[in-house]
Amino acid sequence: DFRMTQSPPSLSASVGDRVTITCQASEDITTHLNWYQQKPREPPKLLISDASNLATGVPSRFRGGGSVTDFTLTITSLHPEDFATYYCQSYDNLPSITFGQGTRLEMK
Amino acid sequence: QVQLQESGPALVKPSETLSLTCAVSGYSINAGYYWGWIRQPPGRGLEWIATIFHNGNSYYNPSLESRATISLEMSKNEFSLKLTSLTAADTAIYYCASQQWLVRFDVWGQGTTVTVSS
Repeated sequence: DFRMTQSPPSLSASVGDRVTITCQASEDITTHLNWYQQKPREPPKLLISDASNLATGVPSRFRGGGSVTDFTLTITSLHPEDFATYYCQSYDNLPSITFGQGTRLEMK
Repeated sequence: QVQLQESGPALVKPSETLSLTCAVSGYSINAGYYWGWIRQPPGRGLEWIATIFHNGNSYYNPSLESRATISLEMSKNEFSLKLTSLTAADTAIYYCASQQWLVRFDVWGQGTTVTVSS
């Protein structure tokens, strides 16, 4: 079965920190990966598409990278509004869509 | 600007069928685009359920395919989801979303919470 594995499941950090979340695919997905941000009681919001392309209106402190099986979402300097849960999502096996389990980013 | 709004029952009994509707505004669903349903059990991650294209072609998560049906209501500019044989494991927030080229969900509804309980 195809799987997306995110790590860590949770992360504590402070405003101004640089943080990196990883997502690993169980097989080669080239760059067929998106990232979403979800705040409590809100729907997810598309952050990054195709592994590294920022969605419209997303601040440049968010950076996506990687290819094949290993991907990263980096926030270069945390802002207070960035504390949320982040999900990766693969579309390599269309039409099936697979989400990672999520990484909860909490304030230290 | 595309907006989506889910509607449906908040409480459904086990073994019954869930019917949800997503009203789309700001865009005509028969003009193109894919439309999808995603759910999120309490405190857990996201699960894709199903997607439909404006021409009626539909796609399902294999784990839910036997119980799920997605459809379009062109005259109302809505799309719908039916999920049969409900159990407590189907308790979740159900989101509808527009799906760009099948590959990403770019606009989401606010979600509707469904609890399966007797």
